[in-house]
Amino acid sequence: GESVGLHLPTLSVQEGDNSIINCAYSNSASDYFIWYKQESGKGPQFIIDIRSNMDKRQGQRVTVLLNKTVKHLSLQIAATQPGDSAVYFCAETGGSYIPTFGRGTSLIVHP
Amino acid sequence: SAVISQKPSRDICQRGTSLTIQCQVDSQVTMMFWYRQQPGQSLTLIATANQGSEATYESGFVIDKFPISRPNLTFSTLTVSNMSPEDSSIYLCSVEALSGNTIYFGEGSWLTVV
Repeated sequence: GESVGLHLPTLSVQEGDNSIINCAYSNSASDYFIWYKQESGKGPQFIIDIRSNMDKRQGQRVTVLLNKTVKHLSLQIAATQPGDSAVYFCAETGGSYIPTFGRGTSLIVHP
Repeated sequence: SAVISQKPSRDICQRGTSLTIQCQVDSQVTMMFWYRQQPGQSLTLIATANQGSEATYESGFVIDKFPISRPNLTFSTLTVSNMSPEDSSIYLCSVEALSGNTIYFGEGSWLTVV
């Protein structure tokens, strides 16, 4: 798995703005991708997923974009709210069904 | 999604002791996994808990240090043996949804070794 340092990348936004969190993956054979949200003191919570035969998928206030050419995944959160403040992780699976997690991004939403 | 319960949710442990974490799922699942999340870091897979047989460990994790049991399709335990402060982490139980692929997590067990 990928190692990360003690300081996560941080994205600070104002309440009501749109947030974009990015993730690069390394395994070109990965065919399934998941975004998780982890609030302080809690386990990761499934947000949205996308398979490699798609390049966009929308949920409630969230959109995931997949660019297989450059192995890039993004999570867009519309009208960001203080409750969206958390660490966001992308995960990929390819071949095996077991997800490999990327380094997280800390989203801070200012009221 | 499955409801995953872990016990204990938190504990402070003495160096050299062992602690067993329990994971109970409210429905039968095929795959159960144990992850570790060290402070400020991402999730690292420790092992896949196999029902009725020995767990499958990832590189860097061994059975003597992290013995795992899975007696049935809804329950698993992870033991952290002979703990040192470096074992202070969140230990997370996760399961694969019946529909396949999506992995769901419990709330984690937050261990501090002193």
